[in-house]
Amino acid sequence: ETGVTQTPRHLVMGMTNKKSLKCEQHLGHNAMYWYKQSAKKPLELMFVYSLEERVENNSVPSRFSPECPNSSHLFLHLHTLQPEDSALYLCASSQDRQANTEAFFGQGTRLTVV
Amino acid sequence: SQQGEEDPQALSIQEGENATMNCSYKTSINNLQWYRQNSGRGLVHLILIRSNEREKHSGRLRVTLDTSKKSSSLLITASRAADTASYFCATDAYGNTGKLIFGQGTTLQVKP
Repeated sequence: ETGVTQTPRHLVMGMTNKKSLKCEQHLGHNAMYWYKQSAKKPLELMFVYSLEERVENNSVPSRFSPECPNSSHLFLHLHTLQPEDSALYLCASSQDRQANTEAFFGQGTRLTVV
Repeated sequence: SQQGEEDPQALSIQEGENATMNCSYKTSINNLQWYRQNSGRGLVHLILIRSNEREKHSGRLRVTLDTSKKSSSLLITASRAADTASYFCATDAYGNTGKLIFGQGTTLQVKP
């Protein structure tokens, strides 16, 4: 248990559906992240939030829309996804964005787009 | 672009043996971190080594960092079946504070 909780753990959705992934941390961290992990590929950083402000968007398609309503919660809203978006989506948090801090990861949401 | 690259991609050893994994990177870094991931689950932080450190220990783990060669190694001594997992190095590139770039990982299998 890392202190970062993701829900749901598994999600199957059609290409026309709209769904949201949720991430919650009560570690008092100021930075939160979304990563995508596909088979045979390195973890890809998608979004970075620092003090609830988006500070990084790594050329992620607009069908992925993040939201950070407060420092403890992070959402990833999904709509009109493609089968190639099927992956493990990992949320992480860290004390802040300064160097030399470790990241705490959630267990991930296994997303399958059909 | 991929920063960390682990070597080997897969490693299979017997319980009790030592396991060594290597990581190479391309740019100057603030620190390098090693993470472990059990199948289909989240990553767990193992150890962080700063750019001005050369070696760090944590239990059965030993990490080295050679900034001149832009490489790091993770040694797990006296391995156990429970060490079976994927191991990733991640670099915090200098000037990109807080942005961890991960390699593809080394899959370690420890046979009982």
